[in-house]
Amino acid sequence: AQSVTQPDIHITVSEGASLELRCNYSYGATPYLFWYVQSPGQGLQLLLKYFSGDTLVQGIKGFEAEFKRSQSSFNLRKPSVHWSDAAEYFCAVGARNTGNQFYFGTGTSLTVIP
Amino acid sequence: DADVTQTPRNRITKTGKRIMLECSQTKGHDRMYWYRQDPGLGLRLIYYSFDVKDINKGEISDGYSVSRQAQAKFSLSLESAIPNQTALYFCATTGAPSYNEQFFGPGTRLTVL
Repeated sequence: AQSVTQPDIHITVSEGASLELRCNYSYGATPYLFWYVQSPGQGLQLLLKYFSGDTLVQGIKGFEAEFKRSQSSFNLRKPSVHWSDAAEYFCAVGARNTGNQFYFGTGTSLTVIP
Repeated sequence: DADVTQTPRNRITKTGKRIMLECSQTKGHDRMYWYRQDPGLGLRLIYYSFDVKDINKGEISDGYSVSRQAQAKFSLSLESAIPNQTALYFCATTGAPSYNEQFFGPGTRLTVL
């Protein structure tokens, strides 16, 4: 069965420090992969997506993610966190060429301390 | 204007009441989805529809029903609301040519007292 795991429920980092949010997936084939961010009281904003090609993808707000097939992972990174990055982050996977279902992780809540 | 809209944005209702959440999209997509979000549980799929005549149950459809009135409209109903249906509800769409990304509405925050 397809699933997405975000092992870290909550992460706290200092402003200016680097960040890595983990995402592991279980899927029968290479999926489409996404990271979304949700600020308090807001909807979902797409940070970046991976469909094929270069396994390191760049997104908005200085985020990047790397697809590692051997580890079934799609971790999100940012070199230097800003206070405005405090939010909930969701990893998601989708089936290729069907649009049947998209599966979401349970989210990682990020706190940024000054 | 937003491509995917949801109404209402916030709603407070009482146990046992019938309530309808509406979703409209201008993206021309044929596939639409309803999710609910609960703290610590992420987004879970309630129902999805591939076209006007196609409705499918998702992971947590009990207590909900849907109606696809037109390609652009997909409504979610709670026939008799209960407090554990208090959640944030999202509508999403996807479409041709590759159906490889979902586009989300702003969400409806529902509170059932």
